[in-house]
Amino acid sequence: QSPPTQPASVSGSPGQSITISCTGTARDIGSYNLVSWYRQVSGRAPQLIIYEGNQRPFGVSSRFSASKSGNTAVLTISGLLTEDEGDYYCCAFGSDTSLTFGEGTKLTVL
Amino acid sequence: QVRLVQSGDEVRKPGASVQISCKTSGYTFTRHAIHWVFQAPGQRLEWMGAINTASGEPKFSQRFQGRVTISRDTSATTVYMGLSNLTPDDRGLYFCARDMDYIDIAYDFYKMDVWGGGTSVAVSS
Repeated sequence: QSPPTQPASVSGSPGQSITISCTGTARDIGSYNLVSWYRQVSGRAPQLIIYEGNQRPFGVSSRFSASKSGNTAVLTISGLLTEDEGDYYCCAFGSDTSLTFGEGTKLTVL
Repeated sequence: QVRLVQSGDEVRKPGASVQISCKTSGYTFTRHAIHWVFQAPGQRLEWMGAINTASGEPKFSQRFQGRVTISRDTSATTVYMGLSNLTPDDRGLYFCARDMDYIDIAYDFYKMDVWGGGTSVAVSS
């Protein structure tokens, strides 16, 4: 199963908003509203920031939100902070009940 | 608090096997599934599989199927991941992670809310 496609990198200035897309297929993102998003900093353990489309775990800032249209999920980060830098991965649930992480997007806050 | 503590870094020769443990604490072990995730140096995360800690039933990614085993010891609240026939492509970090939902109400296992610190595996002759 091919990994969902993400842009290799995105950047923004503090206070701005950015979006990261995650394009899968009709057999994963297109069929289920079960996309999760994770942030990983410097190779450390990832952190769950969004699940089931647009739900945030306790403690995750409301600056993080997500949506889905067709086979593409989108993560939005508003009011960028320097601490938001890191690698962002989407994770899609597939029709074979397996999970596939996206290619990953490096966020740089200029 | 909820903690997942993984065993230490490993070095293996090609063709060998490795087993990594994930000791859990701070919650009821059999209420949450455990996932395993692999990350080669500089590469993306890859889901390897997961185990229903209540039933012991594992499921695996096609990429690792046939080489990976996942088991649990409920008395030790520990999950084990074994990988056989190692090649240099298996070099990297291995993470365990708890599934967020209670097993008895989960639709399936697909969201990882607490992660272990990672175990590095090197494969070299």
